[in-house]
Amino acid sequence: GQQLNQSPQSMFIQEGEDVSMNCTSSSIFNTWLWYKQDPGEGPVLLIALYKAGELTSNGRLTAQFGITRKDSFLNISASIPSDVGIYFCAGLMTNFGNEKLTFGTGTRLTIIP
Amino acid sequence: KAGVTQTPRYLIKTRGQQVTLSCSPISGHRSVSWYQQTPGQGLQFLFEYFSETQRNKGNFPGRFSGRQFSNSRSEMNVSTLELGDSALYLCASMGEYEQFFGPGTRLTVL
Repeated sequence: GQQLNQSPQSMFIQEGEDVSMNCTSSSIFNTWLWYKQDPGEGPVLLIALYKAGELTSNGRLTAQFGITRKDSFLNISASIPSDVGIYFCAGLMTNFGNEKLTFGTGTRLTIIP
Repeated sequence: KAGVTQTPRYLIKTRGQQVTLSCSPISGHRSVSWYQQTPGQGLQFLFEYFSETQRNKGNFPGRFSGRQFSNSRSEMNVSTLELGDSALYLCASMGEYEQFFGPGTRLTVL
């Protein structure tokens, strides 16, 4: 099925560095969601964005819903070891009550000691 | 509110067998979706149920099926298991605008 273009695919950073990742799509969405997945577990919802231009923070995480409704980014400031994992974006489009969620391909974050 | 629950968490089967996985959504959620996740493949959408009806379907063979009960609990079934069916199977329930995932069932096919 369709997947969103998420970049970068992987990141290797040192503890304390800031992280930035983004998702782009050829389709518009009316909600953007960002998830983090730890190995062997289900994705956990980090941030939800509901309107174009919206900027939302959750602790050290900040995400924005692009003005065109076709993109979103996630920033993590001052990374810590527990930030390691795979981050997924997801775009939601509702159509006459039928929601369709499309996922990005994921960004794997690794922290180098 | 309790989150999405999935049972069992781990399962080992052999080729040719069939398996049934169970999911209980967040209370009040009527939409349940199933995903298959294999290393390097991301989240592959299987199907979505809403009010006991399959509303959306991904691109998987007919060996993969599901159903939803009147209490919104859902099951998915995989018949004639193949080695390639080894994966983490995730269930998610949809609120108004957000989808929440369960912990997954890790299926290993030997």
